[in-house]
Amino acid sequence: QVQLVQSGAEVKKPGASVKVSCKVSGYTLTELSMHWVRQAPGKGLEWMGGFDPEDGETIYAQKFQGRVTMTEDTSTDTAYMELSSLRSEDTAVYYCATDYNFDYWGQGTLVTVSS
Amino acid sequence: QAVLTQPSSLSASPGASASLTCTLRSGINVGTYRIYWYQQKPGSPPQYLLRYKSDSDKQQGSGVPSRFSGSKDASANAGILLISGLQSEDEADYYCMIWHSSASVFGGGTKLTVL
Repeated sequence: QVQLVQSGAEVKKPGASVKVSCKVSGYTLTELSMHWVRQAPGKGLEWMGGFDPEDGETIYAQKFQGRVTMTEDTSTDTAYMELSSLRSEDTAVYYCATDYNFDYWGQGTLVTVSS
Repeated sequence: QAVLTQPSSLSASPGASASLTCTLRSGINVGTYRIYWYQQKPGSPPQYLLRYKSDSDKQQGSGVPSRFSGSKDASANAGILLISGLQSEDEADYYCMIWHSSASVFGGGTKLTVL
């Protein structure tokens, strides 16, 4: 059984960056393809990007290209998502989720962007 | 026009069946896509329910009851999540998703009320 445990809530000022972590247990990170999905308060789900095992590359949603970086530390089985140039509209819960099915989800990390 | 359109809300009675639709934008043929379905309850991450492309290409999520099933309505260009024998615990938001042009796209979600 895969378990994903994310880092805690963050409060950031506009223009800053945030880095959210997602630690995997039950499997190794190399056995999974990690994706990131966010959800603004009261809104729906929005895919940000993730690892495409067919190409061996990380793909980003067009909306976030240039502002988001997804990385992995296989020595600790931890995935990271860093979002820069934060604005108020980036206030959301950020989730990590596995593989094309999004079978397993982290508990979510609330990122609040406020001056 | 959104890639995936879901009705914002749906109400049904306990014990009845509910049919949740996910309509693909004109020009995107439902027959060529796997449709993924997720359930989300307040304060919790989404849970993967199932995916459906055809009767020979479908998958039930781990531990998901068989009263949740998928199908398609080709004439409406829509994926369908059927929930039979509705229970109060089925009250939640439901999202559909497809992989389109190497990107994940979610529908806006349907809030299902069981009353």
